[in-house]
Parts: sequence; structure tokens; C-alpha cells
Amino acid sequence: IKLTQSPGTLSLSPGEGGSLSCRASEPLSSPDIAWYQQRPGQPPRLLIYAASNRATGIPDRFSGYGSGTDFTLTISGLEPEDFAIYYCQQYGRLVGTFGPGTRVDIK
Amino acid sequence: QLQESGPGLLRPSETLSRTCTVSGGSLTTSTYYWAWIRQPPGRGLEWIGTIHYRGTTTFYNPSLESRASMSTSASRNQFSLKLKSVTAEDTAVYYCARQTKKWEVPKYFDLWSQGSLVTISS
Repeated sequence: IKLTQSPGTLSLSPGEGGSLSCRASEPLSSPDIAWYQQRPGQPPRLLIYAASNRATGIPDRFSGYGSGTDFTLTISGLEPEDFAIYYCQQYGRLVGTFGPGTRVDIK
Repeated sequence: QLQESGPGLLRPSETLSRTCTVSGGSLTTSTYYWAWIRQPPGRGLEWIGTIHYRGTTTFYNPSLESRASMSTSASRNQFSLKLKSVTAEDTAVYYCARQTKKWEVPKYFDLWSQGSLVTISS
């Protein structure tokens, strides 16, 4: 399954909110989508699993939803540390795949 | 925590070897699988493979399956990756990660190592 993320870059100001899209090439029968945040020089960090469940310690300004082929990560009230690259991952098949990422940068 | 180790510079055609040490927890848990993921400089993430702590169950990315092999050492609380016949295209940051599972099916990655750059160059 191939994942497409859009937009490639999202320019926002601190305090603003935004939505990141992840589209799968085939429907996922279960919401087997995770979202990760990667800051420069850091490993990815799990934000969301099963499309809408926040991982331990993740603030509630991060939320996810979706089903089938379309999934969304929403960030509300951007903090300075939220400017990063965000990847989605599907694990509905044994061969898990990542999307190409969306960069969230400061406007 | 997860900490990988291994050579950071290899020549083309050599075998890449990485070892991941699990600390503060046990490799021999039935709750998780253990995985390798890589990221070429400036690019996205690519899953390499996943292994059960017994070493009896493995999953590989089809694009790397012919060159990759994974193993575990319960006594050392470690798991390892070998990638044969490397080329410059294998230059990447290599991460080890803990992978959740449900009904023995691999799921998402909830713990990552810091990652280390492995450069393939003559």
C-alpha cells in the first residue's frame, strides 16, 4: 500500500492550527494508521496510533481521525516545538509503509 | 531504551552489521516485536524488517529481503541486522525500534533508538 501525504509543506504561525492529510492507495479494513513527529536530528516519535488514539504523553492539541483511504492529523495551537516533519505509517499489511512526510514550518 | 551500535563507515560490497541493545526492559517479551528502519539523508523512512525475540518469526521489506537478515540474543538482550552487498544507496541513518503487535501481526513503532548514520563509500 502506498501512502501519499499532503501538503508537502505547511507554513503556519505559532498558535495557529492545521490539518495534515494521509491518503492510502487501497482502503484499510481497520484504521491501521499511525502518525509520527520527527524534529531535526531526532528519531521519529509516535503521536497517534489506530488513526485516532494519542500515544502516552502526547498533548491533546494533536488529534487524528479517518478511515478507509483518508486519514488526517490535526494540530491545534501550534507550539514552537511542533515545527517538524510528520509521517504517517500504515500497518494494515504485513509490509508496513510510511508516507513521504509533511513538513510543518514557521510562516 | 534502545541503543544501536556498529561500524559507521563501510565500503561498497561489504556487509552492514548493526546491533540494538534493549535496556530498562526485556527483549524476551511477547508483547512486542523488534524492528529496523532506515532513513537516507534528507529523505523519508523505510522499514527494513521485524523479528520476534525467539528469532523464529521474521518479516522483511520485499525490496531488501534478499540482502537482509535479522537475529536475536536473549542472553545479551540484543537484536541485530545484517545487510549484504551494500552500495551507496544503503547510506542512511539506521534506527532500531520496538514494534507493537496484535494477534501476532506487526503494528506501529512506539519506541525508537536515537539512530546512527552509516555511510557507504569507497
